[in-house]
Amino acid sequence: NAGVMQNPRHLVRRRGQEARLRCSPMKGHSHVYWYRQLPEEGLKFMVYLQKENIIDESGMPKERFSAEFPKEGPSILRIQQVVRGDSAAYFCASSPPGAGTKKAFFGQGTRLTVV
Amino acid sequence: AQRVTQPEKLLSVFKGAPVELKCNYSYSGSPELFWYVQYSRQRLQLLLRHISRESIKGFTADLNKGETSFHLKKPFAQEEDSAMYYCALSGWRGGSNYKLTFGKGTLLTVNP
Repeated sequence: NAGVMQNPRHLVRRRGQEARLRCSPMKGHSHVYWYRQLPEEGLKFMVYLQKENIIDESGMPKERFSAEFPKEGPSILRIQQVVRGDSAAYFCASSPPGAGTKKAFFGQGTRLTVV
Repeated sequence: AQRVTQPEKLLSVFKGAPVELKCNYSYSGSPELFWYVQYSRQRLQLLLRHISRESIKGFTADLNKGETSFHLKKPFAQEEDSAMYYCALSGWRGGSNYKLTFGKGTLLTVNP
């Protein structure tokens, strides 16, 4: 089991472009969580998804950010029209059904830089 | 609102010395507390949970509800303990027990 895989590891975008961050959960995990870590800050919860469902997106900015976890394929965090303030490390975690944070495993993160 | 405070951004000790990484929290219900560690260039990984009451890699942490603290301790630090350490909290059951609130982290450096 390769663990939670995130790609790309590093992503550079110009202001106004779109950023797509991918997260492949561990085998057997159907729950995905996205966290954002701004410079000098702790990780902050963004969104919790199950296959084809958004369970809790209370931590997502209201505009430009969206997330999905389709029936097939990885979970995608999409940021439209990126701005400098979106520069951060974005972490994905996955867990099996019913385990919540107790059995959540994290990916290595995607470091987004907006220039 | 739930909050986790790690007052020390940086902590430097010598090999063999005791180490304590501080964590204080604020939560209205019954929290579950965690310590996560991130070694250089590696992913964030769970070090220990308060309900497990276990010792991992020589580290222990006791939940003190009176002081709302969950400090991480190790009696004799090793160079390989050098890493970023994050304290985190979630609700105990139901509701949003899947949601972790993290502190800002403490970078521990163990010098030879």
